[in-house]
Amino acid sequence: DAKTTQPNSMESNEEEPVHLPCNHSTISGTDYIHWYRQLPSQGPEYVIHGLTSNVNNRMASLAIAEDRKSSTLILHRATLRDAAVYYCILRGNQGGKLIFGQGTELSVKP
Amino acid sequence: DADVTQTPRNRITKTGKRIMLECSQTKGHDRMYWYRQDPGLGLRLIYYSFDVKDINKGEISDGYSVSRQAQAKFSLSLESAIPNQTALYFCATSDSAGPGRTDTQYFGPGTRLTVL
Repeated sequence: DAKTTQPNSMESNEEEPVHLPCNHSTISGTDYIHWYRQLPSQGPEYVIHGLTSNVNNRMASLAIAEDRKSSTLILHRATLRDAAVYYCILRGNQGGKLIFGQGTELSVKP
Repeated sequence: DADVTQTPRNRITKTGKRIMLECSQTKGHDRMYWYRQDPGLGLRLIYYSFDVKDINKGEISDGYSVSRQAQAKFSLSLESAIPNQTALYFCATSDSAGPGRTDTQYFGPGTRLTVL
């Protein structure tokens, strides 16, 4: 499975946008880019995923570089409730198991 | 009601004891997974199952076994618990991959296991 690299931690102010980067230089052509987050004392939850085009949903946006070697998860207006560990994960087109890295711990200041 | 439930939520046991952690889901998914999480680390896959007759080892299956009793139930056993199996254990489910399916994984609330 191809590997991802994320910063260990990031800080944001409440109600400001947050850009969480992920590098995946060894991504294969069929790998999807998935993002999950884990709120304190909870199991991970799905945030968004994409293949080549940028994606938007009610939680976030995913911007994928043209060469697909990096991507950015965008939270448009961070809230205190968005404080969590965010995981960027690559998955083949057959789905199945998730390989978690260390993720980025996002803290949000009031 | 939660879609993915885990029992027990907390368990303290002693070295050498047999422990079973149970997971049930009402999402009708074929695929189920067991992960463990150690403090400050991401989740690591222990076992996974793509249907009732299918069992696969993950990254760290040594010391664990599983049973897929039905589509909705997937149990994780520690035959003889040891202290380094102290961790947070998560069960997850997902639909089969295929056209129009995201194969999103849905996680349970976790079981905190302490082995003394």
